[in-house]
Amino acid sequence: GAVVSQHPSRVICKSGTSVKIECRSLDFQATTMFWYRQFPKQSLMLMATSNEGSKATYEQGVEKDKFLINHASLTLSTLTVTSAHPEDSSFYICSAIEGDTLSYEQYFGPGTRLTVT
Amino acid sequence: DAKTTQPPSMDCAEGRAANLPCNHSTISGNEYVYWYRQIHSQGPQYIIHGLKNNETNEMASLIITEDRKSSTLILPHATLRDTAVYYCIVLRTGNQFYFGTGTSLTVIP
Repeated sequence: GAVVSQHPSRVICKSGTSVKIECRSLDFQATTMFWYRQFPKQSLMLMATSNEGSKATYEQGVEKDKFLINHASLTLSTLTVTSAHPEDSSFYICSAIEGDTLSYEQYFGPGTRLTVT
Repeated sequence: DAKTTQPPSMDCAEGRAANLPCNHSTISGNEYVYWYRQIHSQGPQYIIHGLKNNETNEMASLIITEDRKSSTLILPHATLRDTAVYYCIVLRTGNQFYFGTGTSLTVIP
């Protein structure tokens, strides 16, 4: 089945630094990838939609200059949290849609736990 | 956007059927209903989806009312590993999923 991986699974960084999270579709080509954020005991919140080769579309209230998204290939999207602060500590999850199918099923990665100290 | 409403929590005895309801009264005619679940600290897992007809797969059954304003996910024989948060999502145009608060299902031994 379709598998999505994320790296790293956990990361701790100091306030003011930047951290990059990778999302890869391992056995399919993903024309569209999505990034979500989830705070403890809350639901997933969609941050942005990323289409290969074009700029990401951000949801209202999500700062595009703080959360940089790059989708340079059909199997890789990256999320960079710039100048991270403790309030950015969260569980970040990506998902992908297989490019050559009419199904809109999203395949989710295992998530990345970011802690900013 | 078609919003969904789910009970915040439910319990189910192991081996019994778990019936998880979802209201989506503002759904449009061409919007699909998707169900995912999330086990603690993992990414969501796809369960099933449907448009108008009832659907069944190896994991669950999905019953959609004729007016499409609500649906029920049925796990026929719940196990302890089915303890998770279950999300009912209406897929809007553009492929984006907007997650509601979900139902926290606890399967009791």
